[in-house]
Amino acid sequence: DIQLTQSPSFLSASVGDRVTFTCRASQGISSYLVWYQQKPGKAPKLLIYAASTLQSGVPSRFSGSGSGTEFTLTISSLQPEDFATYYCQQVNSYPITFGQGTRLEIK
Amino acid sequence: EVQLVETGGGLIQPGGSLRLSCAASGFAVNTNYMTWVRQAPGKGLEWVSVIHSGGSTYYADSVKGRFTISRDDSKNTLYLQMNSLRAEDTAVYYCARGVRGSGSYDWGQGTLVTVSS
Repeated sequence: DIQLTQSPSFLSASVGDRVTFTCRASQGISSYLVWYQQKPGKAPKLLIYAASTLQSGVPSRFSGSGSGTEFTLTISSLQPEDFATYYCQQVNSYPITFGQGTRLEIK
Repeated sequence: EVQLVETGGGLIQPGGSLRLSCAASGFAVNTNYMTWVRQAPGKGLEWVSVIHSGGSTYYADSVKGRFTISRDDSKNTLYLQMNSLRAEDTAVYYCARGVRGSGSYDWGQGTLVTVSS
């Protein structure tokens, strides 16, 4: 199975900050990497697929990059509604797997 | 409007069985890539199973042989039959619609399954 390791596990930041999360795969997954945002008590929301393609309706301050084994999600200027937990997911092969998540909190 | 509504969760004893349903509206389940994802209390997301539009199914190692994904085209509903339930199956179960290789973009609200004596 492909393991995904997200870093950091926890991040404290302020409104307006630029933040970057990393997701590393245990083996190459080309660009089959998806990013989700989840708020407490809510279902996940798809932000980015194919490593760098923004899902329709997602603000352009979100961007993704990477291929192979290393991927990043960047939020260019944090807004209050961005404080949540972020998960990466590999959709290259079964079983599909998620990273353990990065919790983003307000400083 | 696309909607996914999960039902069937509840309290069940270890070793018991439960069937979750996910009623879809606004699209046809049988022409879409449908998945189940779960989340244990206070934990991260865990992919459980998928059924492709063509009927192929895949499972996480943790549920293989115990869970079965299926769909009823006439009811436009996705199911997850869960047998031999364990305490570690306790979670909120979400159904979701997506595209193979591109993740899941429509999600239900989730249904809580608690396995406990």
